[in-house]
Amino acid sequence: DTAVSQTPKYLVTQMGNDKSIKCEQNLGHDTMYWYKQDSKKFLKIMFSYNNKELIINETVPNRFSPKSPDKAHLNLHINSLELGDSAVYFCASSKSGGANVLTFGAGSRLTVL
Amino acid sequence: GDSVTQMEGPVTLSEEAFLTINCTYTATGYPSLFWYVQYPGEGLQLLLKATKADDKGSNKGFEATYRKETTSFHLEKGSVQVSDSAVYFCAHNAGNNRKLIWGLGTSLAVNP
Repeated sequence: DTAVSQTPKYLVTQMGNDKSIKCEQNLGHDTMYWYKQDSKKFLKIMFSYNNKELIINETVPNRFSPKSPDKAHLNLHINSLELGDSAVYFCASSKSGGANVLTFGAGSRLTVL
Repeated sequence: GDSVTQMEGPVTLSEEAFLTINCTYTATGYPSLFWYVQYPGEGLQLLLKATKADDKGSNKGFEATYRKETTSFHLEKGSVQVSDSAVYFCAHNAGNNRKLIWGLGTSLAVNP
């Protein structure tokens, strides 16, 4: 029973294409996140949703659009992919008031050629 | 502003050596402090946490003590194993639950 599952695990695509990553959690958490991790392991928060409401929207190009259809799902759509978008994208979830104890997915490695 | 500073890696140790990874923080509020670990090819997972000054978090033989006077939360383990090879991230929540402030991560390699 995977707690936070992301699909796909790997994406390889060409510059200019559009791609989506899906995330689902079965922990009953009400807050979900998208993080980007670069090749040096630097971790940057991109978005956070609480009960389907966007609460964190960091300085991210508007080519990136998150969507949360319900509190168990958070998807990330990326338009017009660029070389610099190559990274590992992690979904995570937590309970409100849970002192930021995050449960992470296994990551989705995006390679833009 | 809020920040976390970790010692730079990579750290390379022999099995059974003593480990210390330094972490200091700046925060405007009264943060909770965390260590997360990322094993190769996996997502991060919580290793330990401390929510107030002088608390000690511990798990899997790792320990860290919340030192408010030195704004530090150093990670220690008395005897590392090859299976401890991973990237370790220190973080705090700036005294709120909105988001975590992350360090840059410290890579640890343990050789047999």
